[in-house]
Amino acid sequence: AQSVTQLDSHVSVSEGTPVLLRCNYSSSYSPSLFWYVQHPNKGLQLLLKYTSAATLVKGINGFEAEFKKSETSFHLTKPSAHMSDAAEYFCVVTPMNRDDKIIFGKGTRLHILP
Amino acid sequence: NAGVMQNPRHLVRRRGQEARLRCSPMKGHSHVYWYRQLPEEGLKFMVYLQKENIIDESGMPKERFSAEFPKEGPSILRIQQVVRGDSAAYFCASSPPTVGTGGKVGYTFGSGTRLTVV
Repeated sequence: AQSVTQLDSHVSVSEGTPVLLRCNYSSSYSPSLFWYVQHPNKGLQLLLKYTSAATLVKGINGFEAEFKKSETSFHLTKPSAHMSDAAEYFCVVTPMNRDDKIIFGKGTRLHILP
Repeated sequence: NAGVMQNPRHLVRRRGQEARLRCSPMKGHSHVYWYRQLPEEGLKFMVYLQKENIIDESGMPKERFSAEFPKEGPSILRIQQVVRGDSAAYFCASSPPTVGTGGKVGYTFGSGTRLTVV
């Protein structure tokens, strides 16, 4: 069975400090892993994806995520937060070659403090 | 609470036919989003609706695709004159208004409709 756990429902960081949004997954198949961002009144936007190539994945807006199979984790990081990063972030698992099956985490709301 | 209901689960259409995909949001949710998922590409945003109102359709192809969310009944994603390239999984999500929720979207996804065009 597949599952995704986002460990924090809310994260607050000061502008200019590092961001860490945690995601752990469970999958019986080799997974594809994604991070999406959603700003208020907008649809989801893909930040980055892992599909069995390099384990360190670089995305848009300075975000990165590292796939750690031994820890079943795919945490999202950014070295320096910007006010525009305030949004909700979703970690998503899709079993490889099963594009009709997606498992969403519950989301982490990122707050940026001035 | 039945969650977000999408039907049909699988839909097969011949080229040139119309496809209608339905999405019933969670009780109390007034916002509906439609996404298309292509293999290993992740979700692509298509359209965001409130009841009787399209908020953002920037991801909708210019032709053949339309969406509605009437006052009563489910949201419908309609694809006219389907082509092979329309074959994909289509997902619907719903959420309540974000105001008053601390910014949390409260997103819930349906199980998707797998469209196959033959």
